[in-house]
Amino acid sequence: AAGVIQSPRHLIKEKRETATLKCYPIPRHDTVYWYQQGPGQDPQFLISFYEKMQSDKGSIPDRFSAQQFSDYHSELNMSSLELGDSALYFCASSRDNSYEQYFGPGTRLTVT
Amino acid sequence: DQQVKQNSPSLSVQEGRISILNCDYTNSMFDYFLWYKKYPAEGPTFLISISSIKDKNEDGRFTVFLNKSAKHLSLHIVPSQPGDSAVYFCAASDRIQGAQKLVFGQGTRLTINP
Repeated sequence: AAGVIQSPRHLIKEKRETATLKCYPIPRHDTVYWYQQGPGQDPQFLISFYEKMQSDKGSIPDRFSAQQFSDYHSELNMSSLELGDSALYFCASSRDNSYEQYFGPGTRLTVT
Repeated sequence: DQQVKQNSPSLSVQEGRISILNCDYTNSMFDYFLWYKKYPAEGPTFLISISSIKDKNEDGRFTVFLNKSAKHLSLHIVPSQPGDSAVYFCAASDRIQGAQKLVFGQGTRLTINP
């Protein structure tokens, strides 16, 4: 069965640079969520989209923005990167805003 | 503040025995609970869930128990198999205005010994 696809899997950026992470949800899933997992920490909710509209916002810095496109894929844009942004970024998707979220493999972002 | 807590960072169990992973929560508004399993370099994999109106849900070797009055849930794996070795996250659903985000615990690393 098709799963959530995230690209790239690994990304290395320098401080103050910009990064774009992409997420392709499971086919027919209309809700996308972004989570950030720092080293040794649990995943923290950043932002979600339902039917291309932002549905909820968590602890997402103002330097970050995201959107969901007409084909339901989502992009997380991160600007003025800081060392503390180094983390695993997970995207998850669900259908009809259901409780079960299915996670992608994550993008490991390293900021040097 | 940690609204979902997994107080055991690690657990070691003999193959074939029962593994019991525990989770406590503080927010009485949580209405749905999920367990995820995570291998290194992979995303969390959904295992089993339970609605707050139930006290037990079973799926094969996995059973989740919910005690709402104690704000406590547990995941039972029986019999435990070597492939069950992974980090297990407890998550609670915080549904706001139709959307819902997951609030995760810190995770418990389960090791199944042969």
